Amino acid sequence: DVVLTQTPPTLSATIGQSVSISCRSSQSLLDSDGDTYLNWLLQRPGQSPQLLIYSVSNLESGVPNRFSGSGSETDFTLKISGVEAEDLGVYYCMQATHAPWTFGGGTKLELK
Amino acid sequence: EVQLVESGGGLVQPGRSLKLSCAASGFTFSNYYMAWVRQAPKKGLEWVATISTSGSRTYYPDSVKGRFTISRDNAKSSLYLQMNSLKSEDTATYYCARLRSTRDFDYWGQGVMVTVSS
Repeated sequence: DVVLTQTPPTLSATIGQSVSISCRSSQSLLDSDGDTYLNWLLQRPGQSPQLLIYSVSNLESGVPNRFSGSGSETDFTLKISGVEAEDLGVYYCMQATHAPWTFGGGTKLELK
Repeated sequence: EVQLVESGGGLVQPGRSLKLSCAASGFTFSNYYMAWVRQAPKKGLEWVATISTSGSRTYYPDSVKGRFTISRDNAKSSLYLQMNSLKSEDTATYYCARLRSTRDFDYWGQGVMVTVSS
C-alpha cells in the first residue's frame, strides 16, 4: 500500500501567518492516465472532512484562494497564505492513484 | 443542496453484523460513484469501499474485503454498507461520501458511529 507521510504532525500558527504542510508518498502518484490523484482535505473539530484541493493543485469550488497545492511524483505541499481562525483543524492528504486509496496521518493546525 | 445522511450505527458484539444506510438528496444519485470512509476514535481516515454508478463494480481494501459489502439502490437514492463478522478494530465513525470524477470525495455525510464490543 502507498504510505503518505505528513509533516509536521502539529503546526502552531498566528492569524495571518503563512504555513505549509508536506505530504510525501512512498510511490509516485502519477497515474498512467497522466493525472496525479493527490487531494487535500480539512476536518474541522467535530465536523466531517471537506475537500480543499484535488489533483495536486485544483482549488475546490467555494474554497478560499489562500489555499494552494503544489508538487509532483512523491512530494506535495499545501500552503495557506494567511491563516484565518476558520482554518483550524486537521489536514489530510489522500491519494487515489493506487489501490487501496490511502490517507496521510494528518497535520493538526492550531493557534499559537 | 447536496445532502448525505447516514443511519444504522450502534453497538454490536464481535462477530455479528450491521447494515449502514446513506440517504442522498440534492443531486442525481445514479450519476455518481459513491464510497464509505471510516475514522476510528481519535485516529485518521481509512477508505472502506467504493461502488460504481450502476453498482456493477465494487472496490475494497484488504482490511474489509470478504466481510463488508457496499451496494446501492438508485431508485431510492440510497447507499448501503453491509458489515459482517465485525471486529473490535471496525469501531469507527463511518462516513458516506460522494465521488466526483471517481477520485475526489467532494461531499461527505455527518457520519454514523459503529462500536464493536462485547
